[in-house]
Amino acid sequence: GDSVTQMEGPVTLSEEAFLTINCTYTATGYPSLFWYVQYPGEGLQLLLKATKADDKGSNKGFEATYRKETTSFHLEKGSVQVSDSAVYFCALIRNAGGTSYGKLTFGQGTILTVHP
Amino acid sequence: SQTIHQWPATLVQPVGSPLSLECTVEGTSNPNLYWYRQAAGRGLQLLFYSVGIGQISSEVPQNLSASRPQDRQFILSSKKLLLSDSGFYLCAWRASGIDTQYFGPGTRLTVL
Repeated sequence: GDSVTQMEGPVTLSEEAFLTINCTYTATGYPSLFWYVQYPGEGLQLLLKATKADDKGSNKGFEATYRKETTSFHLEKGSVQVSDSAVYFCALIRNAGGTSYGKLTFGQGTILTVHP
Repeated sequence: SQTIHQWPATLVQPVGSPLSLECTVEGTSNPNLYWYRQAAGRGLQLLFYSVGIGQISSEVPQNLSASRPQDRQFILSSKKLLLSDSGFYLCAWRASGIDTQYFGPGTRLTVL
């Protein structure tokens, strides 16, 4: 079946440091890939997405590139802020569109803490 | 624009009591709807999904049930809560034919 594996963490960084959170996936076909962010006590927010190979998703300074050859979708940010402290989830969806119910497969989440 | 609401935001219930959590979506028609549970603030488990009124699919056998009495309303229920039902419950919606799911603010359930 489909699966998503991401860095366990927790990841602790100082403000303005470079961030990488690794994510790899296993799925047949051509899934869409997502990063969601969850701030303490809140629901999940879509951070960025990519729908085909070599697509780059970006939002709020975060980027991730859909690498089909390495089945990866690593999240990066050049300079993190204290406000980026949250849990980050990598996810995929297969069989998007049509009559499919669009089941998301999530990684376990990575806790990021950024110190001033 | 579309918005998704969940209530209550927090709930503390005794073991053996009933449960009803509600999710509603505004600004769209015939959405696909989902219930997830998140334990220990980390991984998400899909509990139920619905592609239309009265259509419910269950992902895992458990003490919970779901219903969709109206197009944009999704309800999670239990007749008798267990301690293991504690967790953070998230509702999500997806427009038919679109790959992205959007999540509500969640309900924190504590069963004592």
